[in-house]
Amino acid sequence: QKEVEQNSGPLSVPEGAIASLNCTYSDRGSQSFFWYRQYSGKSPELIMFIYSNGDKEDGRFTAQLNKASQYVSLLIRDSQPSDSATYLCAVKGSQGGSEKLVFGKGTKLTVNP
Amino acid sequence: DTGVSQDPRHKITKRGQNVTFRCDPISEHNRLYWYRQTLGQGPEFLTYFQNEAQLEKSRLLSDRFSAERPKGSFSTLEIQRTEQGDSAMYLCASSLGNRDTQYFGPGTRLTVL
Repeated sequence: QKEVEQNSGPLSVPEGAIASLNCTYSDRGSQSFFWYRQYSGKSPELIMFIYSNGDKEDGRFTAQLNKASQYVSLLIRDSQPSDSATYLCAVKGSQGGSEKLVFGKGTKLTVNP
Repeated sequence: DTGVSQDPRHKITKRGQNVTFRCDPISEHNRLYWYRQTLGQGPEFLTYFQNEAQLEKSRLLSDRFSAERPKGSFSTLEIQRTEQGDSAMYLCASSLGNRDTQYFGPGTRLTVL
């Protein structure tokens, strides 16, 4: 089982719709969860981080965390064509005080005008 | 711009040559990370520094790879005797103190011919 899993997509939504991106992780002791956006040929850009169960909202973005289910998601409301990118889920592990982030493969999102 | 900077942005080399990349973290960030990303994959952790101390290394970091951060500021990543499988985007990230959020630089894209 891979440590962090995401649907690779592509996920296609019309402009103005809600895009829902999902991620599961295997390390039950993980405490910190991140969503990065990566445009083609560019480096990852931090969008959201979440540490506690529940929802965290920032503008059009909402991160949701359920530690019991080992599941984290990102909702993008009122999707715009500029949101078209690959979204990477990253988890900071709990083993031995490691500081590394473990990334999923990413989900490619396309927002159609 | 006070973000993470990396140099060079692109490097083309022949198999067997040595290459060195530089990363300048965000000012005052004492933690610095190196990741590698290949096409269609999420970034994979290579190594991590807190100030000048290299505290964590991935098994991905073979004997041909070495990283330094001699004065706790900028860092270098050297790859000796490059192989075609080393072709990837090399990403540097930094974070402040005990905060988890890592901010990425633009990356160095390495092509080994």
